[in-house]
Amino acid sequence: SQTIHQWPATLVQPVGSPLSLECTVEGTSNPNLYWYRQAAGRGLQLLFYSVGIGQISSEVPQNLSASRPQDRQFILSSKKLLLSDSGFYLCAWSRQRTSGGTSTDTQYFGPGTRLTVL
Amino acid sequence: SQQGEEDPQALSIQEGENATMNCSYKTSINNLQWYRQNSGRGLVHLILIRSNEREKHSGRLRVTLDTSKKSSSLLITASRAADTASYFCATIYSGTYKYIFGTGTRLKVLA
Repeated sequence: SQTIHQWPATLVQPVGSPLSLECTVEGTSNPNLYWYRQAAGRGLQLLFYSVGIGQISSEVPQNLSASRPQDRQFILSSKKLLLSDSGFYLCAWSRQRTSGGTSTDTQYFGPGTRLTVL
Repeated sequence: SQQGEEDPQALSIQEGENATMNCSYKTSINNLQWYRQNSGRGLVHLILIRSNEREKHSGRLRVTLDTSKKSSSLLITASRAADTASYFCATIYSGTYKYIFGTGTRLKVLA
């Protein structure tokens, strides 16, 4: 079975400090990987997604970046955090689509990281 | 802008009642999905309905899709206190892997 891990679970960081959040997936290969941010009581904002190693698509221009150094590892980073970076960060994965199929579009989410920037 | 918008934003019902939440989207889709999120947790996939389907059932869940109106509804029958959560619809831009989530409906089921 597949599992997705995120760490840390909670993080409190001062403004201007760096950030590194890690997400790993087990039990599958070549997944599509995603980073979302969720403000309190709000919907999900897609930040980055990746369909393969080294392939990152950025949806929101800001001071965050993402990397995929290995097939099942996705890292979200920042060199200098802003107050507005506070939120709940979720990593997710989905299977690559088979030829002509859309039934593989289900996303599987990690437990999330609660980031507070002070 | 977000493609999916749910209404109502919040819903409070008594245990045993049915809960209905709606989702609207803006562009053509291959499928539409519903997810559930318990407070402070990740999202869990509930059900996927394809663009050529009009209705789908899974246990106490019933989802409808009207592509002419670009809308979907999620019905939870005989609700339980454990159904208390936020519910989100999600769509994917055709030809991409880019998911767009709605703003969510916060459901509270009172025991």
